Amino acid sequence: DAGVIQSPRHEVTEMGQEVTLRCKPISGHDYLFWYRQTMMRGLELLIYFNNNVPIDDSGMPEDRFSAKMPNASFSTLKIQPSEPRDSAVYFCASSHRQGGNSPLHFGNGTRLTVT
Amino acid sequence: ILNVEQSPQSLHVQEGDSTNFTCSFPSSNFYALHWYRWETAKSPEALFVMTLNGDEKKKGRISATLNTKEGYSYLYIKGSQPEDSATYLCAFPYGGATNKLIFGTGTLLAVQP
Repeated sequence: DAGVIQSPRHEVTEMGQEVTLRCKPISGHDYLFWYRQTMMRGLELLIYFNNNVPIDDSGMPEDRFSAKMPNASFSTLKIQPSEPRDSAVYFCASSHRQGGNSPLHFGNGTRLTVT
Repeated sequence: ILNVEQSPQSLHVQEGDSTNFTCSFPSSNFYALHWYRWETAKSPEALFVMTLNGDEKKKGRISATLNTKEGYSYLYIKGSQPEDSATYLCAFPYGGATNKLIFGTGTLLAVQP
């Protein structure tokens, strides 16, 4: 298996622009997670999906952030409009069992820089 | 608010030293405790998922123990090697049987050759 695939690896954009991050989970995994990693807050859970349905989006910082999972093999995290404080590494992860006792498999992350 | 604490924040050891670090978590409503290894410029990789009090898991030179009654887990590395240099994260599902994993801030281990 190729693992969790994220694109792009790096994104540099100007403040006010729309940014879309993409994720392909491991085939057969029912859960997909978006995390953000910053120096100040470490790894923060933004949102997670089960069978393509958003379950908990309480970690999404603002209305500028939105996430979708149109099918079992694809998810997007969109920031519109982007701001410099959104600069971080965004990780997508997937897992295949319910209940918190299944390990997460992480993608390589997207490093976002907003100037 | 759920608090997962790790100590120390960082650790520098010599090659061959054995080392250990701690993850503390709320002991009430325990469900599982995860350990991840995170090398620089890579993504976090799962080491262990522990669910039973008194459980001990081992992977090569790395092992972990779990005490759910007092709310802590230890990660041990025997005979550290430079390739063990990484950040070690623990994570705890918020609210019990849920997939909402809350991560600690990690212990950064540097092993000098």
